[in-house]
Amino acid sequence: EDQVTQSPEALRLQEGESSSLNCSYTVSGLRGLFWYRQDPGKGPEFLFTLYSAGEEKEKERLKATLTKKESFLHITAPKPEDSATYLCAVRVNDYKLSFGAGTTVTVRA
Amino acid sequence: NAGVTQTPKFQVLKTGQSMTLQCAQDMNHNSMYWYRQDPGMGLRLIYYSASEGTTDKGEVPNGYNVSRLNKREFSLRLESAAPSQTSVYFCASSGNTGELFFGEGSRLTVL
Repeated sequence: EDQVTQSPEALRLQEGESSSLNCSYTVSGLRGLFWYRQDPGKGPEFLFTLYSAGEEKEKERLKATLTKKESFLHITAPKPEDSATYLCAVRVNDYKLSFGAGTTVTVRA
Repeated sequence: NAGVTQTPKFQVLKTGQSMTLQCAQDMNHNSMYWYRQDPGMGLRLIYYSASEGTTDKGEVPNGYNVSRLNKREFSLRLESAAPSQTSVYFCASSGNTGELFFGEGSRLTVL
């Protein structure tokens, strides 16, 4: 069964304190791994797509990496505006993404 | 450019009542989706429409029906609402690149 597990469930950081979020997955034939950001009361917002092990993508203070079994979202020197829930999803066929439950990040000034 | 627009944003129903959630996208995307989001469970696919004129069941279709009215619009109907359908519902669309673009959500409470 396709499964996506994110850890930790919640992460509290001090401004400037770098950290990483984990997304581990089991899927037969990865066809893309996606990271989304979700602010309270809003819909998820697309961040990155990764397709193959070793691939990396960056956007401002965020960097996503991919191995054969997991992906990491690294947050470097976070700011309070990086506070959000970060969702990971894997594509299991042309029309289905399997989502993890998310990691809620809180960055204190 | 509005992206994906959902209505209503909030709704309270009594058990057994029916309602329709409306969704429209202005990105000329072929595919549209309805998800529900519950605490600790992640987003789960209810129904999707790969292209205009087609609809298919996702992971949790029971108790729901959908209509792809045209390329822009995809509606979700609850015929007889149950408390288990209390959730936040998201509509999404995707084009050739595969990433999903989500609406802001519709928060439904069934009493």
